[in-house]
Amino acid sequence: ILNVEQSPQSLHVQEGDSTNFTCSFPSSNFYALHWYRWETAKSPEALFVMTLNGDEKKKGRISATLNTKEGYSYLYIKGSQPEDSATYLCAKYSGAGSYQLTFGKGTKLSVIP
Amino acid sequence: DTGVSQNPRHKITKRGQNVTFRCDPISEHNRLYWYRQTLGQGPEFLTYFQNEAQLEKSRLLSDRFSAERPKGSFSTLEIQRTEQGDSAMYLCASSLNPNTGELFFGEGSRLTVL
Repeated sequence: ILNVEQSPQSLHVQEGDSTNFTCSFPSSNFYALHWYRWETAKSPEALFVMTLNGDEKKKGRISATLNTKEGYSYLYIKGSQPEDSATYLCAKYSGAGSYQLTFGKGTKLSVIP
Repeated sequence: DTGVSQNPRHKITKRGQNVTFRCDPISEHNRLYWYRQTLGQGPEFLTYFQNEAQLEKSRLLSDRFSAERPKGSFSTLEIQRTEQGDSAMYLCASSLNPNTGELFFGEGSRLTVL
């Protein structure tokens, strides 16, 4: 994998459904993996920053896991609500030497009431 | 409000005109980033400042683009002789923690070049 890739590109789910997205990234030069939520007309907001292989983080109904050896992360949303509708971005941070984040194209989630 | 602020939020301009965007980061953050997002793409890195020093520039940043951060506080991004391909959302973000790189974004400045 050369770039940060996210799947699916978009997703429509019914309110109450659980869902998950995938982020794949180059495992070399890894420092941290970020997930951001970007709601329409607002600023992207950090959900999770994960650094260690096997990391699992949770915030309310949203959780994320990280596998740095194989280069992937999953984001899970349990019991989706309309307010979860947003674009979810993942980004790889390579740390010292290159302080930029490399973003995927995002997964656009629409939760239907 | 102590978040990252950007202005203008929206700018419509004719091809060939110059535009300037301003970003005011969170005051204690020494790192400032500019990203560009076009339709169907994720944010693409443009440039990065640590205090007033511009430390990284993407090859996306053609010579029509210039960014400054005088005194290490606010930053400006200027695009000269705009082209239709410059139409995008320009995002500014600031950061304090080099260990995690967590970014705090502004709401963006949307540029439309006619």
